This record gives sequence, C-alpha cells and structure tokens, in this order.
Amino acid sequence: GAVVSQHPSRVICKSGTSVKIECRSLDFQATTMFWYRQFPKQSLMLMATSNEGSKATYEQGVEKDKFLINHASLTLSTLTVTSAHPEDSSFYICSARATSGPPGTQYFGPGTRLLVL
Amino acid sequence: RKEVEQDPGPFNVPEGATVAFNCTYSNSASQSFFWYRQDCRKEPKLLMSVYSSGNEDGRFTAQLNRASQYISLLIRDSKLSDSATYLCVVTVSGGYNKLIFGAGTRLAVHP
Repeated sequence: GAVVSQHPSRVICKSGTSVKIECRSLDFQATTMFWYRQFPKQSLMLMATSNEGSKATYEQGVEKDKFLINHASLTLSTLTVTSAHPEDSSFYICSARATSGPPGTQYFGPGTRLLVL
Repeated sequence: RKEVEQDPGPFNVPEGATVAFNCTYSNSASQSFFWYRQDCRKEPKLLMSVYSSGNEDGRFTAQLNRASQYISLLIRDSKLSDSATYLCVVTVSGGYNKLIFGAGTRLAVHP
C-alpha cells in the first residue's frame, strides 16, 4: 500500500526556535497533502491543506504566518512551526491523498511528536 | 456542537465479546464515512469505509443511517489486538474532501 513518511519522528526544542517537519509520499505522487495536529485525548484537527505548487489553505484559527507550509514537489510537503512555544507541543501528522481510490482516502504519516520547553 | 461526536469510552470488554460503537455527525452534506483505528501514540489507520447498505469485513460490521446521521461499528469475537481507539471520520463536500475526525472511542480488550 501507499507509504507516507515523516521526519523527524520526535523533536524537543527551546521556546522561540523554529522546527521543520517533512512529509514524503514514498511510492506515489500526492498533489494534495494535509497537516493535522492532535492534542492528548482529543481528535485530529486539520490545520491546513497543502497543494503542490500553490499556497496552502488554512483552517479557521490556524495562523498561516506561524505554521508555514511548503509543497514544492509532488512527493514532499513541509510544515515549519516558527517561534515555537510550549502550547505548540503536540502530535503533528501529515497525510497524502492518493489520486486513485475512494474519495477521501488518505494515507497518514507516522506523526511527529513536538515538545517545546 | 462538535461535527462528529463519539462516546469516548473506555469500553472494557473480555476477549470474545461483541462490542458496538456509535457516532453521530452534524453536517447533512457529509459524503463519505470511515472508521479509523489509532493505536497509542501512532497515526490513524483506515479500518473500513462505511456504506449506506452496511458492510462487513471479517469480524467488523459498519452501518450508516443517513436519515439519523448515525454511524456504527460492531466488533465480534474481540481480540486483545483490537485494543485501540476507534475514530469515526466523515468527509464534507467541496474542496479537497477534508476528513473530519471524531475524538475517538477507546476499547480495551482484556483476557
């Protein structure tokens, strides 16, 4: 099946630093990738939809200047958390939508656990 | 009101038991429906799609009632390995078929 990788799997950083998370589709091309955030015991919340070669679409309440998304190729999207603060500590998961299969089929990366001290 | 609501559980059941999870969604324009499974500190994985006619995959049966905006998942003959959080997921029309996740129902199967 389709494989999506994320790097790094976990990161600990100091408050005020920026963190970049990569999401790659390994064996298929993904024109659309999604970024989610999940706080403990809560549901996955969609942060933004990333389209190759165009600007990302952010969900209401998500600061586009704080969460920078770049989808430079059909297999790579990056999320940069700028000037991270402790409240940004969360589980960040990306997914990629395959061009075939039932509508809504998305393949998820293994997630990145971010801890901001 | 949350777009997708689930009983958080936990459901603690013995091996071999039958357990049912329910889910309601608020957007009548929702188009596709899924159950995902999420293990602790892992990404969600698709368990099965849910169709109006109801569908079965081995020990798992999913049902959809569009009129009531209600989705269910039935697990028969529970195994220890079924212990996980089960996420009810819907897509909404327009745009990129965004997935809207419920907060999940936790299942713990014990010997």
